[in-house]
Amino acid sequence: SQTIHQWPATLVQPVGSPLSLECTVEGTSNPNLYWYRQAAGRGLQLLFYSVGIGQISSEVPQNLSASRPQDRQFILSSKKLLLSDSGFYLCAWGTGTGGNEQYFGPGTRLTVT
Amino acid sequence: GQQLNQSPQSMFIQEGEDVSMNCTSSSIFNTWLWYKQDPGEGPVLLIALYKAGELTSNGRLTAQFGITRKDSFLNISASIPSDVGIYFCAGYTGANSKLTFGKGITLSVRP
Repeated sequence: SQTIHQWPATLVQPVGSPLSLECTVEGTSNPNLYWYRQAAGRGLQLLFYSVGIGQISSEVPQNLSASRPQDRQFILSSKKLLLSDSGFYLCAWGTGTGGNEQYFGPGTRLTVT
Repeated sequence: GQQLNQSPQSMFIQEGEDVSMNCTSSSIFNTWLWYKQDPGEGPVLLIALYKAGELTSNGRLTAQFGITRKDSFLNISASIPSDVGIYFCAGYTGANSKLTFGKGITLSVRP
């Protein structure tokens, strides 16, 4: 069966510091991978998605970036965090076929101070 | 762009009651998905619907894919305290690799 991992689970970082969040998927090959941000327990904002190694699509302009160095690894980064980057970051994987069902990881709670 | 409308933002029900949520759009979708998010966790897929008119159950949950392909509803019967959480609908047009999500409905269940 497939499993998706995210770490760290929680993170407190000062404004201006760098960021690296990691997501890995087990039990599937060539998944579509997604980064979402959720503010205040509400809607899901799609940040980036990838349909293959090295292929990244950005949905919103911001100071975040994403990379996919391996088939089942997706990384969210920032060189300098802003207060507005605080939120709950969710990684998801999908097959990209059929109904495009997506399956979410446990999330990372980021607080920028 | 495509939008999915979920309202109200919050619902409060008594334990044991049934509750119905719907999700509407001006756009047509090929797939409708319903997710539940517990506090502090990632959303979990509850039900997936693939054909117009399809009615699918998962325990006490029942969801339907609207005939017009522009809406879907989720029913929860005999609610229990662990039903609390945020319920999201999502739609897939088949045109790209993205889902369109509604803003979610926060369900509270009073014991």
